[in-house]
Amino acid sequence: SQTIHQWPATLVQPVGSPLSLECTVEGTSNPNLYWYRQAAGRGLQLLFYSVGIGQISSEVPQNLSASRPQDRQFILSSKKLLLSDSGFYLCAWSSFGILRDTEAFFGQGTRLTVV
Amino acid sequence: TQLLEQSPQFLSIQEGENLTVYCNSSSVFSSLQWYRQEPGEGPVLLVTVVTGGEVKKLKRLTFQFGDARKDSSLHITAAQPGDTGLYLCAFHGSGNTGKLIFGQGTTLQVKP
Repeated sequence: SQTIHQWPATLVQPVGSPLSLECTVEGTSNPNLYWYRQAAGRGLQLLFYSVGIGQISSEVPQNLSASRPQDRQFILSSKKLLLSDSGFYLCAWSSFGILRDTEAFFGQGTRLTVV
Repeated sequence: TQLLEQSPQFLSIQEGENLTVYCNSSSVFSSLQWYRQEPGEGPVLLVTVVTGGEVKKLKRLTFQFGDARKDSSLHITAAQPGDTGLYLCAFHGSGNTGKLIFGQGTTLQVKP
């Protein structure tokens, strides 16, 4: 069965510090991978998505970047965090292919607080 | 740009009441998905609707896809406290661009 791991669960970082959030998927190959950010009680803002190794699409210009060094590994990074980077970050995967009704599976999320 | 608008943003009701939440767009979609999210967790898929006019039922939840495939609704009958959560609609971008776009969500609170 497929599983998705995201860590850490919570993180408190000072302004100006770097960030690295990691997400890995098991039990599938060539998944679509996503990073979302969510404000409290609100919808998911798509930050980055990837359809293959080294292929990253950015949806929102910002202080963050993403990388996919391996097929089932997706990393969200920042060189210098801003207060506005605080939020709930979610990693997700879905099956690759032309079917547009494939289910997305989410990790447990990372609560990031920038202080 | 394809966008999803959900309404209402927040809904607080008593146990046993019925409710409907909406997901609307000016764009036509090949399919729409509904997810439910509990605090501190990731969203979980409830249903995918793919055919205009389609109605799907999941216990007390009824999902409908508009005839023109531009909108969808979720109706909950006799809501229970366990239905409390954030309800999100979403669509995949055309082709396999990889995009999965969510609406802003409806927060439902069901009071016992």
